[in-house]
Amino acid sequence: QVQLVESGGGVVQPGGSLRLSCAASGFGFSGHGMHWVRQAPGTGLEWVAYISWDGSAREYAGSVKGRFTISRDNSRSTVYLQMSSLRTEDTAIYYCVKEVSSGWTLDFWGQGNLVTVSS
Amino acid sequence: DIVMTQSPLSSPVTLGQPASISCRSSQSLVHSDGNTYLSWLQQRPGQPPRLLIYQISTRFSGVPERFSGSGAGTDFTLKISRVEAEDVGVYYCTQATQFPWTFGQGTRVEIK
Repeated sequence: QVQLVESGGGVVQPGGSLRLSCAASGFGFSGHGMHWVRQAPGTGLEWVAYISWDGSAREYAGSVKGRFTISRDNSRSTVYLQMSSLRTEDTAIYYCVKEVSSGWTLDFWGQGNLVTVSS
Repeated sequence: DIVMTQSPLSSPVTLGQPASISCRSSQSLVHSDGNTYLSWLQQRPGQPPRLLIYQISTRFSGVPERFSGSGAGTDFTLKISRVEAEDVGVYYCTQATQFPWTFGQGTRVEIK
């Protein structure tokens, strides 16, 4: 079955960097766009970033543009989120999310990985 | 950015009774390809979100028939025909017609 396993979260100081990974299995990874969505403690969902199946297209939320970079390695069935210049407001659970093969629908979510930005 | 507005934000429901959640977008969600990319998600306590409905009204695999979606343009509705205990959680509408993709604030469904 579909599995998305996030890793790399933890506690980091403001201004620091962190790289999240998401290992995918159970589906044809190289045929699907992938996303990161975050959820600050006790709040709603915020879309963060998207990468197309082949990595040729990327989109970012305005709040992270210029600070976060999404990438993927189809040979490893893994998607990454490189986060730099982190701010306290980036504290959240980060979910790796799979898109349906035809696009434009988030159909499966990982369990999430907590990132805490604090001094 | 497209703003998604849900109402109500909280919905206490008696078991076996219906529930309805409204979602309005600040602009039309009809994509240039003619489709409308409006989905509904359920997030049970302590769990990641789960896809219920996509493209307004198509139930995702394994979703019970008591969940239905309707609407067009900027106004959409999620209905639960008879609420069960396992339906407790927060429901989000989301649009994928235009980047950045956006979510409603969430509607909490709880049992009276």
